[in-house]
Amino acid sequence: AQSVTQPDIHITVSEGASLELRCNYSYGATPYLFWYVQSPGQGLQLLLKYFSGDTLVQGIKGFEAEFKRSQSSFNLRKPSVHWSDAAEYFCAVGVTGGGNKLTFGTGTQLKVEL
Amino acid sequence: GAVVSQHPSRVICKSGTSVKIECRSLDFQATTMFWYRQFPKQSLMLMATSNEGSKATYEQGVEKDKFLINHASLTLSTLTVTSAHPEDSSFYICSARTGVGTEAFFGQGTRLTVV
Repeated sequence: AQSVTQPDIHITVSEGASLELRCNYSYGATPYLFWYVQSPGQGLQLLLKYFSGDTLVQGIKGFEAEFKRSQSSFNLRKPSVHWSDAAEYFCAVGVTGGGNKLTFGTGTQLKVEL
Repeated sequence: GAVVSQHPSRVICKSGTSVKIECRSLDFQATTMFWYRQFPKQSLMLMATSNEGSKATYEQGVEKDKFLINHASLTLSTLTVTSAHPEDSSFYICSARTGVGTEAFFGQGTRLTVV
């Protein structure tokens, strides 16, 4: 079965600093990979996704992520964090079998210091 | 992007009663909808996969008689929590996708509190 690991439960960065959130997955084939953001008490908003092709994907709000097959990773990055980026970030893997359901990581809580 | 609307956003009910949560895809047809449960400060746990016109597929450990899922049309799925108890209090989120390999769009979630 597939699994997702987000090693960092909490991350604090200063506004304007760069950000990298780590995500590692376990799956036997090429997965579909997603990053979602969740504000308190809200649903999830898709930041970006990787299905195939270019391993560096661009998303909304200035985020990008790079799929590295050799490392089974899909880390999320942003060159300059804004205070409004403070939220919970979830990495997810989707597989072609099982109805394409998603398996989520445990999330990383991002705090932005002004 | 596509919009998924979940209703209600918050509900408080008495222990022993049933609560229905609706998940609608507003501008696309959702062949598959998913229901998740999220405990405070935790990740989303998939409860069941719902395909239009067929019975839902429940994940291991999820009581299908307690969490009734109906996907009667391509734009609506409902989750009914039957005989709710305080331990059922949680944040329930639905998602919908149009087909295989497509992204999932999430509703805004429903905060259920059972008193």
